[in-house]
Amino acid sequence: DVKVTQSSRYLVKRTGEKVFLECVQDMDHENMFWYRQDPGLGLRLIYFSYDVKMKEKGDIPEGYSVSREKKERFSLILESASTNQTSMYLCASSSTGTGAYEQYFGPGTRLTVT
Amino acid sequence: GDSVTQMEGPVTLSEEAFLTINCTYTATGYPSLFWYVQYPGEGLQLLLKATKADDKGSNKGFEATYRKETTSFHLEKGSVQVSDSAVYFCALSNSNTGNQFYFGTGTSLTVIP
Repeated sequence: DVKVTQSSRYLVKRTGEKVFLECVQDMDHENMFWYRQDPGLGLRLIYFSYDVKMKEKGDIPEGYSVSREKKERFSLILESASTNQTSMYLCASSSTGTGAYEQYFGPGTRLTVT
Repeated sequence: GDSVTQMEGPVTLSEEAFLTINCTYTATGYPSLFWYVQYPGEGLQLLLKATKADDKGSNKGFEATYRKETTSFHLEKGSVQVSDSAVYFCALSNSNTGNQFYFGTGTSLTVIP
């Protein structure tokens, strides 16, 4: 069974802290994605990666960075957490090539910044 | 650019009622279309997909048909159950844009006994 795991289900951090969210997939997928989900706004893409050490900005990259040192792991970093980054963060992965390659999602991390 | 529009929620239905959640899209070329479901406190799960015009995706009693002429991919179920209560997302993936996904804003469904 395919699996995407995220390091924490719930996280509470203080304003100004550096926050790391980890995502691991066991499907040997090339592509990995970080989204944030907010009520009424749906899913918004923060960053994605098509390969190891590769990253591309999504729609809302400001205030975030990412790291992909190994194929199976994709980390989202909040350099200095702010209250407007309180949200649900979802990681996803997909294969690449021709055809319809669906994204597989992790369970999400609900981050609260106080 | 590519985009997905789905009906606003929330939707509340009685058990065994018929469900339709509308989804329309804008895209160049021939995108693939998806419905995802998110149960409370969980991530998104793929519900069904269709990769070309007139394809019908189906799973767990849900169906959606890829209609290129109306650029639509409406989700339907003939008889909903309480366990179907969740948020439903329509999405597209387009090879013209590197297979990036575009999601709708989600439609919350509550089924009451």
